Amino acid sequence: DTGVSQDPRHKITKRGQNVTFRCDPISEHNRLYWYRQTLGQGPEFLTYFQNEAQLEKSRLLSDRFSAERPKGSFSTLEIQRTEQGDSAMYLCASSLEAYNEQFFGPGTRLTVL
Amino acid sequence: AQSVTQLDSQVPVFEEAPVELRCNYSSSVSVYLFWYVQYPNQGLQLLLKYLSGSTLVKGINGFEAEFNKSQTSFHLRKPSVHISDTAEYFCAVSDRDDKIIFGKGTRLHILP
Repeated sequence: DTGVSQDPRHKITKRGQNVTFRCDPISEHNRLYWYRQTLGQGPEFLTYFQNEAQLEKSRLLSDRFSAERPKGSFSTLEIQRTEQGDSAMYLCASSLEAYNEQFFGPGTRLTVL
Repeated sequence: AQSVTQLDSQVPVFEEAPVELRCNYSSSVSVYLFWYVQYPNQGLQLLLKYLSGSTLVKGINGFEAEFNKSQTSFHLRKPSVHISDTAEYFCAVSDRDDKIIFGKGTRLHILP
């Protein structure tokens, strides 16, 4: 399957711990996006990359969040000092170029105890 | 700033009946409009999109939507629903910036 993949699919952590999620986009897609979805809400944009360059970060993204896409392929999203309010589904999407359809991965569900 | 309002959080409908899921948007610039579907325990999937041209857009699984600029609406319709259409449906808007702004979703319940 050549769709967007995310790892892990589920993560349970204790408050204050750091977590890192990985997203592998569809190969040759140069745009990669991160979204967060909480219960009963639609996905909220967090940040996106064009190749390895991070072009925009949402004001929702606190200093505890950092994302990288070092070689323009896979991306990681790290949350430091997790809080209970970080519990959500973290979605990754990729597209071939601007204004093209974004293909979404299955998401990583984070639970912070 | 862009925003999307999905007027119904849940819509129950009998199998084989027609359905309309309502969506209104606000934006100060030209927009692209989308409907995504999220089946239980699955990722988001694009149903259809409006970029330009014909205001009636046909998507997958028999769904269609009509872009109405004067009413700033993009309602989703299907003439006859099936039990397999049970899912959450998200209306979304994007400007030239390319990030997508989603509505809160409408859960479609198909009644036997």
